[in-house]
Amino acid sequence: DADVTQTPRNRITKTGKRIMLECSQTKGHDRMYWYRQDPGLGLRLIYYSFDVKDINKGEISDGYSVSRQAQAKFSLSLESAIPNQTALYFCATSRVNEQFFGPGTRLTVL
Amino acid sequence: GQNIDQPTEMTATEGAIVQINCTYQTSGFNGLFWYQQHAGEAPTFLSYNVLDGLEEKGRFSSFLSRSKGYSYLLLKELQMKDSASYLCAVRSYGNKLVFGAGTILRVKS
Repeated sequence: DADVTQTPRNRITKTGKRIMLECSQTKGHDRMYWYRQDPGLGLRLIYYSFDVKDINKGEISDGYSVSRQAQAKFSLSLESAIPNQTALYFCATSRVNEQFFGPGTRLTVL
Repeated sequence: GQNIDQPTEMTATEGAIVQINCTYQTSGFNGLFWYQQHAGEAPTFLSYNVLDGLEEKGRFSSFLSRSKGYSYLLLKELQMKDSASYLCAVRSYGNKLVFGAGTILRVKS
């Protein structure tokens, strides 16, 4: 079984829709992260959380929000999706150093 | 601010050695990471350097010079399966990772 799972794996939506991407982990890590990846730009940090009561903005948080429902769950929401949010989204977890990434969610906003 | 530079693409021959460079300018430094990412897949951890010097792990080695803001990833005995994108990432104080855009490595037979 995968240690870090993301749902859905693929999603096509329309401009203005609310979208939620979910991440779950069985690694027992406190730290969780959301990144987006765009061609030529690499991975950019959206939000991160070091425990259930801790939420921090990353490099590109505008237009996104997150919820840390439990140690194992960290969800990312797009309140009103726009086309330039089309990207590959990764969730990651860590204890101290190495980050473990989920399989990614490919989101297309039309 | 943070700035991480690595070459966009490299090509090497199966069985050869390739060195992928990474230079960085960050407001704080708390470690440098290398990840491998095959097309359409998640990044996977390769190496971590926090002190100057060389870390060796099988066919892969990573070097760090903090005074020069420089790291490289060395891949020996290249195999076709090493064709992937290699991501350099710097951790600043606060435990956030900043990634470079990645280097696409193509291994040819």
